[in-house]
Amino acid sequence: DAKTTQPPSMDCAEGRAANLPCNHSTISGNEYVYWYRQIHSQGPQYIIHGLKNNETNEMASLIITEDRKSSTLILPHATLRDTAVYYCIVPGYSSASKIIFGSGTRLSIRP
Amino acid sequence: DSGVTQTPKHLITATGQRVTLRCSPRSGDLSVYWYQQSLDQGLQFLIQYYNGEERAKGNILERFSAQQFPDLHSELNLSSLELGDSALYFCASSVGGDSGNTIYFGEGSWLTVV
Repeated sequence: DAKTTQPPSMDCAEGRAANLPCNHSTISGNEYVYWYRQIHSQGPQYIIHGLKNNETNEMASLIITEDRKSSTLILPHATLRDTAVYYCIVPGYSSASKIIFGSGTRLSIRP
Repeated sequence: DSGVTQTPKHLITATGQRVTLRCSPRSGDLSVYWYQQSLDQGLQFLIQYYNGEERAKGNILERFSAQQFPDLHSELNLSSLELGDSALYFCASSVGGDSGNTIYFGEGSWLTVV
């Protein structure tokens, strides 16, 4: 599985866009980038995933660089309810791979 | 609501005892995963089943075991419980067994060992 690196913490003002970076320099050509988040002690929640192209859904946008070595999750209008730990994961594509969660980024939204 | 159901939501038991946590995956999902999250710790992958067969194993203690039944629900059995086993236990499910699938988590079972 490709290793990912995320800042341990970030903060953002309510109503502004929150941009969460992730480095995955060892990613290979057919590996997806997934983002999940965990709001305090709740079950982790799937946000979005992508391969090469930028993706957008009702929750967020995912921007993947052309060389695919990094990505950014964008929450366009952050609210207090977006306060959570955000995980960037590149699970690989192997039947023996396990979906491993790293330390993630703790995002705090300030009023 | 992810569609993954876990029971019980809360459980308090004594050291040395045995408990069983149950998970019903989303409709149509064949793969089930178990994770442990201790207080202020990260999510630790324990084990994965796909269509009744063990698919991948993580840091699961020998005192712990799991299985997936023909109706695809799964149970995590924890025995000879110790205080350090107190944690949130999450179940997740996905359609396929390979890690390139989106996984959906339940709300967890809180286990307190006293």
